Amino acid sequence: EPEVTQTPSHQVTQMGQEVILRCVPISNHLYFYWYRQILGQKVEFLVSFYNNEISEKSEIFDDQFSVERPDGSNFTLKIRSTKLEDSAMYFCASSLSGSPGELFFGEGSRLTVL
Amino acid sequence: EDQVTQSPEALRLQEGESSSLNCSYTVSGLRGLFWYRQDPGKGPEFLFTLYSAGEEKEKERLKATLTKKESFLHITAPKPEDSATYLCAVQAGNSGGYQKVTFGTGTKLQVIP
Repeated sequence: EPEVTQTPSHQVTQMGQEVILRCVPISNHLYFYWYRQILGQKVEFLVSFYNNEISEKSEIFDDQFSVERPDGSNFTLKIRSTKLEDSAMYFCASSLSGSPGELFFGEGSRLTVL
Repeated sequence: EDQVTQSPEALRLQEGESSSLNCSYTVSGLRGLFWYRQDPGKGPEFLFTLYSAGEEKEKERLKATLTKKESFLHITAPKPEDSATYLCAVQAGNSGGYQKVTFGTGTKLQVIP
């Protein structure tokens, strides 16, 4: 069964460092998303991406965040200068239908900022 | 602001003991309501989409229903493998954009053998 894969599964970084989280969405999917879940809190929308550009972003997704699809398979989330409050599980998701609620999620990348 | 409230926060059932989980929502123009299952340390797994009041969807022991203010996830004769956190999410039509989905905090279900 096709799946969304994310790397790394866990990353520990120092405050102020840059982090890149990587995702390989399901191959025939066209819509890509990043969500995050702070420990014990709800899953929160960060950004959606379609046709090589951001289609929508939340207020959380400020100038320190960026996304890129550098080739035909990878989808990355970059955090330019990490803060303590960026510690969370980051989920990549993809969708074939474009319905933003019918998502296939990866297993997540846990980011710990010290 | 779109709001999704799930209850109870946690639910412990004996195997075979049927029950319902509740998701109440306040959104501006509901486009869709979604149910997910999340196992510990994993990403959410999509279960159902509901679009309009009166709609029902079923999958194995799970049945999701929708009214104008809330949705229920009914679990019939649950098994231990149904233990997970069940998340409700909504897509609103008039606020926050088309692509944004707002999740609730979930109901953590534990089914005891």
